[in-house]
Amino acid sequence: EAGVTQFPSHSVIEKGQTVTLRCDPISGHDNLYWYRRVMGKEIKFLLHFVKESKQDESGMPNNRFLAERTGGTYSTLKVQPAELEDSGVYFCASSHWGTSGYNEQFFGPGTRLTVL
Amino acid sequence: GDSVTQMEGPVTLSEEAFLTINCTYTATGYPSLFWYVQYPGEGLQLLLKATKADDKGSNKGFEATYRKETTSFHLEKGSVQVSDSAVYFCALGGSNYKLTFGKGTLLTVNP
Repeated sequence: EAGVTQFPSHSVIEKGQTVTLRCDPISGHDNLYWYRRVMGKEIKFLLHFVKESKQDESGMPNNRFLAERTGGTYSTLKVQPAELEDSGVYFCASSHWGTSGYNEQFFGPGTRLTVL
Repeated sequence: GDSVTQMEGPVTLSEEAFLTINCTYTATGYPSLFWYVQYPGEGLQLLLKATKADDKGSNKGFEATYRKETTSFHLEKGSVQVSDSAVYFCALGGSNYKLTFGKGTLLTVNP
């Protein structure tokens, strides 16, 4: 079974440009999460999809970030326009849907975003 | 809100040394606790977990016990190997599904 995949693995852009990150979750996983790790800091939650619906987007930094999950399959995270402080590693994770308890989140390798 | 504090490191050990990485947490309710590991060039992998007080999670020789009285979940291994070199993250998961992570601890094991 394929794991969570993310594309690209690394992106270097100029301040003010637009970047779109993609995440393909494990097939059959209804839950999809985005997290971000800024250099030397914690990995922070950005948002959570259940299928195509945004369940929780409380961690999104501002309206320059837009996440979508078309048809409840893959997800994209667009940053427009990018700022220097957006640099970091963006992780995607997916898990089964469960009504109680915790379902293990499986993480992708991350996309390293560098804004110059 | 929920938070996790872990020993920041970096930690450098010789092979076969004993490892402890401290982790304490603040949370409402009864969270689950986790240790994730990120090997060089790879994504985060779940190393072990504990879902209630006094549970002990274990995997690959690593152990951690969920201590509610001290709000701690310290990671230990009796004899580290070079292949254990990685970044270790302590995390908690509440009823809202999202994970709250510590800052990560870089472990380097020298032969």
